Amino acid sequence: GENVEQHPSTLSVQEGDSAVIKCTYSDSASNYFPWYKQELGKRPQLIIDIRSNVGEKKDQRIAVTLNKTAKHFSLHITETQPEDSAVYFCAASGMNRDDKIIFGKGTRLHILP
Amino acid sequence: GAVVSQHPSRVICKSGTSVKIECRSLDFQATTMFWYRQFPKQSLMLMATSNEGSKATYEQGVEKDKFLINHASLTLSTLTVTSAHPEDSSFYICSAREGSGLGTPLHFGNGTRLTVT
Repeated sequence: GENVEQHPSTLSVQEGDSAVIKCTYSDSASNYFPWYKQELGKRPQLIIDIRSNVGEKKDQRIAVTLNKTAKHFSLHITETQPEDSAVYFCAASGMNRDDKIIFGKGTRLHILP
Repeated sequence: GAVVSQHPSRVICKSGTSVKIECRSLDFQATTMFWYRQFPKQSLMLMATSNEGSKATYEQGVEKDKFLINHASLTLSTLTVTSAHPEDSSFYICSAREGSGLGTPLHFGNGTRLTVT
């Protein structure tokens, strides 16, 4: 089955700097890669996703890159703000609605004042 | 956007009792729902895939007789934790993927925090 590795487990960056979180996956059949943000005590919220037919996607301060050959994908947050502090999870899945989504272990991001 | 509703949000029960958690898709039909468990400061671990009208598919290591899943309709799946013990205390979250297109996102319910005393 699919296995998703995520690094780092904890990341502290100065406010205004960029943060990068990296993930690798094992199943070459996976072709959908979402990223979720989870604040303490709340449910995960989708922040961005990418499909295997594109290599990069950007939404304001958030961007995701995908390298299918190497089976890794990354989340980039620029101009970080205090409200970016949360736990971020990467995930991998097939495209279909009944394909399960497997999550990485998460990255706790701290934005330092 | 798609909404998944989960109840209750918090439950405290005594050891040995059973607890039922409901998960509803409010504005879309979900033939498949996914149940995750999350321990403090840990990741979302998939427990089982709930399929409407058929048996659930459990992940390795998850006891199907302990975590009973029923997906009776296209908008409702239930998870029953039977004979709960303190080690079952966790955050349980249901989810479903909306739409019929490819690469549809997973939407989560608010989660249920279960405490077994």
